[in-house]
Amino acid sequence: DIQMTQSPSTLSASVGDRVTITCRASHIISSWLAWYQQKPGKAPKLLIFEASTLESGVPSRFSGSGSGTEFTLTISSLQPDDFATYYCQQYNTYTFGQGTKLEI
Amino acid sequence: EVQLVQSGAEVKKPGESLRISCQGSGNSFTNYWISWVRQMPGKGLEWMGRIDPSNSYTYYSPSFQGHVTLSSDKSITTAYLQWTSLEASDTAMYYCARHSRGLQAFDVWGPGTMVIVSS
Repeated sequence: DIQMTQSPSTLSASVGDRVTITCRASHIISSWLAWYQQKPGKAPKLLIFEASTLESGVPSRFSGSGSGTEFTLTISSLQPDDFATYYCQQYNTYTFGQGTKLEI
Repeated sequence: EVQLVQSGAEVKKPGESLRISCQGSGNSFTNYWISWVRQMPGKGLEWMGRIDPSNSYTYYSPSFQGHVTLSSDKSITTAYLQWTSLEASDTAMYYCARHSRGLQAFDVWGPGTMVIVSS
């Protein structure tokens, strides 16, 4: 089974900061990786797929990179609406990372 | 706009059975797979399994195989998640999500169904 490990688990930041979240796969997954944003009481929302392709309507301050086993999600300049929990997912066998809570 | 509409919250007792639903809008329901994702209170996302509504072919996570059943009725564009005997540990939010066939991310999510199992 493919395990996904995100770091950090919690990230404290301020509006305007540049932040990076890392996701590591236990096996090579090519670029079959997505990033989701989840706000309290809401369903997850797809941000990025195929490791680096921005979903339609997602602000360009979000970007993704990586392939193989190492991946990153970067938010270039945090906005108040970005404080949420972020999950990576490999969609070969659909495992999610444990999540990164981005807080003020 | 494609939407997934899920059935309402449920409160059940241990040992009871339950079926929750996820209805897709539009006429493309059978062009996609539907996955189910569990989120226990305060915890992360866990993929449970997927179904192809065009033929009802299913694929389960080993962690959930044998404990839940996925089904679908393409005539009413609805997918189902079913338990025959609930446990307290099944208390969670359950999301359905759409994804295209093959290696694709989950691009449309339902709002979730909260299931509480308590004696």
